Amino acid sequence: DQQVKQNSPSLSVQEGRISILNCDYTNSMFDYFLWYKKYPAEGPTFLISISSIKDKNEDGRFTVFLNKSAKHLSLHIVPSQPGDSAVYFCAASSGGGADGLTFGKGTHLIIQP
Amino acid sequence: ETGVTQTPRHLVMGMTNKKSLKCEQHLGHNAMYWYKQSAKKPLELMFVYSLEERVENNSVPSRFSPECPNSSHLFLHLHTLQPEDSALYLCASSQAGTANEKLFFGSGTQLSVL
Repeated sequence: DQQVKQNSPSLSVQEGRISILNCDYTNSMFDYFLWYKKYPAEGPTFLISISSIKDKNEDGRFTVFLNKSAKHLSLHIVPSQPGDSAVYFCAASSGGGADGLTFGKGTHLIIQP
Repeated sequence: ETGVTQTPRHLVMGMTNKKSLKCEQHLGHNAMYWYKQSAKKPLELMFVYSLEERVENNSVPSRFSPECPNSSHLFLHLHTLQPEDSALYLCASSQAGTANEKLFFGSGTQLSVL
């Protein structure tokens, strides 16, 4: 049973517009959420994160929103740029310690010129 | 060199071969991980080493054997693999025990089992 779900395998957005990537989770013990970006033939790189005590975290063009009651988080990218084309993974962890992260399947974001 | 480095980048092996994947982290972290990424699946956690002790195995088949000789190096020894083991194998490291722990990944080894 998947604990972190990204239900959109792909998303196409026009350059300059807003990209919104969604993620749902089922484990109420998760208290820290991360987004990773992955280019082909490279490992995932950390993008932005949010702790469960917050509902929003912003870093430049990237904003992550957390709705704990709905067990839902989203990543907003505005404005979208061609270099944003990549696979985005949502990940979650609980309790700290070396437990690793639980990942979703990823969403392939394609920015159209 | 900085970050997490993995070798080789690509590996093709037969089902009877024995090979090893190598990972080295230059970040001073105390935990290292092996993840498997298969097509259209989430990244799957295989092994975790914290302070050089294995803390999680996640029911990985015994044909995968990890080794962590020190906090900077991690190996994944492979023997008698199956074609369905073909995947991208990713190594990661983190500073376990810190708040809001993040994983830092290597570029991965793309493994093909024939």
